[in-house]
Amino acid sequence: AQTVTQSQPEMSVQEAETVTLSCTYDTSESDYYLFWYKQPPSRQMILVIRQEAYKQQNATENRFSVNFQKAAKSFSLKISDSQLGDAAMYFCAYIGNNAGNMLTFGGGTRLMVKP
Amino acid sequence: EPEVTQTPSHQVTQMGQEVILRCVPISNHLYFYWYRQILGQKVEFLVSFYNNEISEKSEIFDDQFSVERPDGSNFTLKIRSTKLEDSAMYFCASSESRFGYTFGSGTRLTVV
Repeated sequence: AQTVTQSQPEMSVQEAETVTLSCTYDTSESDYYLFWYKQPPSRQMILVIRQEAYKQQNATENRFSVNFQKAAKSFSLKISDSQLGDAAMYFCAYIGNNAGNMLTFGGGTRLMVKP
Repeated sequence: EPEVTQTPSHQVTQMGQEVILRCVPISNHLYFYWYRQILGQKVEFLVSFYNNEISEKSEIFDDQFSVERPDGSNFTLKIRSTKLEDSAMYFCASSESRFGYTFGSGTRLTVV
């Protein structure tokens, strides 16, 4: 079974600084997708960024980028120029090409942004 | 941008009662899902639905739970005889393919 691990329960960053959230996963599949979701206090799940495993190029979305290391099964999220609105829970998630169509989530990282 | 709509946003129910959580997926999506998040814990998969039948379910999704697509737009999760431990945030999601999930804003279920 696939597992997703987020080893940092909490992180904090100064406004305008850069922070990296870690995620590792375990899978025997070669083709899969990885996601980062943001969950603000409203508890809505908002897709931040997505990475296809077959793509070598790291995904970027404005201030958000990933460092995808397939061999190491690592998928970290970098947030540049952090803003107060970035404060939230961040969840890493995995879906495999051959393992049904369910998302497997990590335990989450709570990000605090200090003004 | 198209949205997945969930109602109600918050439901309080007495233990032992039945609840129905409602979702309107994005209109051209083919896959529908329910996930659960107990407060302070990770998001857990409950069930996926495709072509008018359950395509996958987790061990959490036992006989207490059922899903239905009663018409062309709604997708419901029924929880029979609710227990205190059913208190959680329930998320509906839909996708056009297996990889393009859109989540709804969730229904907070409180069982008292």
